Amino acid sequence: KQEVTQIPAALSVPEGENLVLNCSFTDSAIYNLQWFRQDPGKGLTSLLLIQSSQREQTSGRLNASLDKSSGRSTLYIAASQPGDSATYLCAVPTSGTYKYIFGTGTRLKVLA
Amino acid sequence: GAGVSQSPRYKVAKRGQDVALRCDPISGHVSLFWYQQALGQGPEFLTYFQNEAQLDKSGLPSDRFFAERPEGSVSTLKIQRTQQEDSAVYLCASSLAGGRGEQFFGPGTRLTVL
Repeated sequence: KQEVTQIPAALSVPEGENLVLNCSFTDSAIYNLQWFRQDPGKGLTSLLLIQSSQREQTSGRLNASLDKSSGRSTLYIAASQPGDSATYLCAVPTSGTYKYIFGTGTRLKVLA
Repeated sequence: GAGVSQSPRYKVAKRGQDVALRCDPISGHVSLFWYQQALGQGPEFLTYFQNEAQLDKSGLPSDRFFAERPEGSVSTLKIQRTQQEDSAVYLCASSLAGGRGEQFFGPGTRLTVL
C-alpha cells in the first residue's frame, strides 16, 4: 500500500532563503510524481511532474528531484518570496492503478 | 476559460438531502479524477474516468456516492442522503493523457452538511 509522508509539516523562513521540502513514499514502483501548491481556499496548482525515468525537473526557481530507489523526492525553492507562501503537496500513484496518493503537505510561510 | 471549472463553489445541505456536484474538465482531456479533501489534509482519491468509462471507483466511501461522465466530458458527483461526515471540499482534476499525465485541478466545491 502506497503511503506518502511530507516533512516538515510547516516551515517559516525569511524572504530570500533557499529551502528544501521533502516527500517520501513507500512503494517505489511509480511511473511519475507530481508536486502541487495550494493556496488557502483554492484548488491545487501543478508545479512539476517528474516521470520515473527522470531524476529532476526545473521550472523557474523550482527544482524537483526524484530518487525512486530510496522512495524520496525533494522540492527545492530558490530565493524564496512572500508569494511562495502556500501549502506544498506531493502525489504519487499506487502501483498498477490510477489512484494517486497525496501527502498531507508542507505549509510554507515566507516572511517579508 | 481554459481551466477546470466546478460548480457550485459552495453548497450547504441539510442532513439527508441529495447533492450533485459538477465538474467541467479542460476541453479534450481524456482523464478525470474526483478527490475529497478534509481540512488540513491532502486530497483523497475517490474515482477515475477515462473518457466515459469509470475505471476506478475504489475510493468512493459508500454506496451513497455515485459519479458519472456520460459523454466523456462533464462529470457529476452525486451524494445521496448526505451525512455530516460528508462535509469536505470536493476537487476535480483532469489530464490530457490516460491517467498518468499532469493533473490540473479545479477550484473545488466546499460542501457543508448541517
